[in-house]
Amino acid sequence: GAVVSQHPSWVICKSGTSVKIECRSLDFQATTMFWYRQFPKQSLMLMATSNEGSKATYEQGVEKDKFLINHASLTLSTLTVTSAHPEDSSFYICSARGAHSLGNSPLHFGNGTRLTVT
Amino acid sequence: TQLLEQSPQFLSIQEGENLTVYCNSSSVFSSLQWYRQEPGEGPVLLVTVVTGGEVKKLKRLTFQFGDARKDSSLHITAAQPGDTGLYLCAGAQLTGANNLFFGTGTRLTVIP
Repeated sequence: GAVVSQHPSWVICKSGTSVKIECRSLDFQATTMFWYRQFPKQSLMLMATSNEGSKATYEQGVEKDKFLINHASLTLSTLTVTSAHPEDSSFYICSARGAHSLGNSPLHFGNGTRLTVT
Repeated sequence: TQLLEQSPQFLSIQEGENLTVYCNSSSVFSSLQWYRQEPGEGPVLLVTVVTGGEVKKLKRLTFQFGDARKDSSLHITAAQPGDTGLYLCAGAQLTGANNLFFGTGTRLTVIP
């Protein structure tokens, strides 16, 4: 089955630094990837939709200058949390669909990245 | 924003009991998916329902899509400790847009 790899699985950084999270589709091409944020014991909140070769679409309330998304190829999207603050500590998850998938087709999720900002 | 409300939010039951999780919305979806997520991992797809009134079974799990395609339910028979996890419903928009709207989640704990 389709595999999405997310790296790193966990990261601890100091306040004010930037952290990059990678999301790779290993055995399929993904024109669209999605980035979610999940707080403890809560559901997934969509942050942005990452489109290969174009600008990401951010959800309302998500700062695009703070959460930089780059989708430079059909198999890789990156999320960079810039000038991280303790309140950015969360579980970040990416997902992807195949290049020719319809809206009904399932999303393939990475295993998430636990970010802790000290 | 298309809200998907799940109930109950938390559920703790004894092994062998039955349970039902509900996923409700005022919006119509082209399809609805159910995922299960374990701590520290990404969600894993359980099922996709597409047709209003559709019922799908996956071993001890029974999924139903409402006739109006606004709601769904997940019924687990004879729950086992391995069923413990966060259950998420997710709806796909009628417009065919790529993203899914996730429900508020139900955290299930099955006590041995």
